[in-house]
Amino acid sequence: AQTVTQSQPEMSVQEAETVTLSCTYDTSESDYYLFWYKQPPSRQMILVIRQEAYKQQNATENRFSVNFQKAAKSFSLKISDSQLGDAAMYFCAYRSEALALGAHLNSGNTPLVFGKGTRLSVIA
Amino acid sequence: DAMVIQNPRYQVTQFGKPVTLSCSQTLNHNVMYWYQQKSSQAPKLLFHYYDKDFNNEADTPDNFQSRRPNTSFCFLDIRSPGLGDTAMYLCATSWGRQETQYFGPGTRLLVL
Repeated sequence: AQTVTQSQPEMSVQEAETVTLSCTYDTSESDYYLFWYKQPPSRQMILVIRQEAYKQQNATENRFSVNFQKAAKSFSLKISDSQLGDAAMYFCAYRSEALALGAHLNSGNTPLVFGKGTRLSVIA
Repeated sequence: DAMVIQNPRYQVTQFGKPVTLSCSQTLNHNVMYWYQQKSSQAPKLLFHYYDKDFNNEADTPDNFQSRRPNTSFCFLDIRSPGLGDTAMYLCATSWGRQETQYFGPGTRLLVL
């Protein structure tokens, strides 16, 4: 079974500075997707960024970028020019393409595996 | 423009008193998910519907049931809530299991 590990339960960053949240995962598969979700205090989970494992280029969305190291099974999130609104819980998540497709056979496989989250505080 | 709507946002119930949580979506997605998220923990998948096909996670208690009467709506029924069921319940949708999941704002359930 796949696992996702976020080793930093809490992080803090000064406003306008850069912070990196770490995520590692364990899988024997070659085809998968990785995600970073943000959950602000209002608790609605929002997709921040996603990365296809077959793509070598790191995904970028405005101030958010990832450092995807497939061989090392590492998927860190970098937030540049941090803003107060970035304060939230950040979850790293893994989705197996094979399991997602195999679930058409009602195999009951879990589509998305979450890490335990990193709580990010932004200091004004 | 709410896409995944959950009602109610807050629900208080008594130990053992059945409760139903509602999720609706305007995305016309064919997959709907229910997650349980306890304080300071990651969301835990309870079950999901692929169209009308129900997929239960192996460790989801029998106390939790779900209904999907049509594409837009999905309900979570907790037949006899225990104190340990106090949590945030998140609904999510996607187009196919391969695609990105979109989450609703959640229903915070308190069992007294």
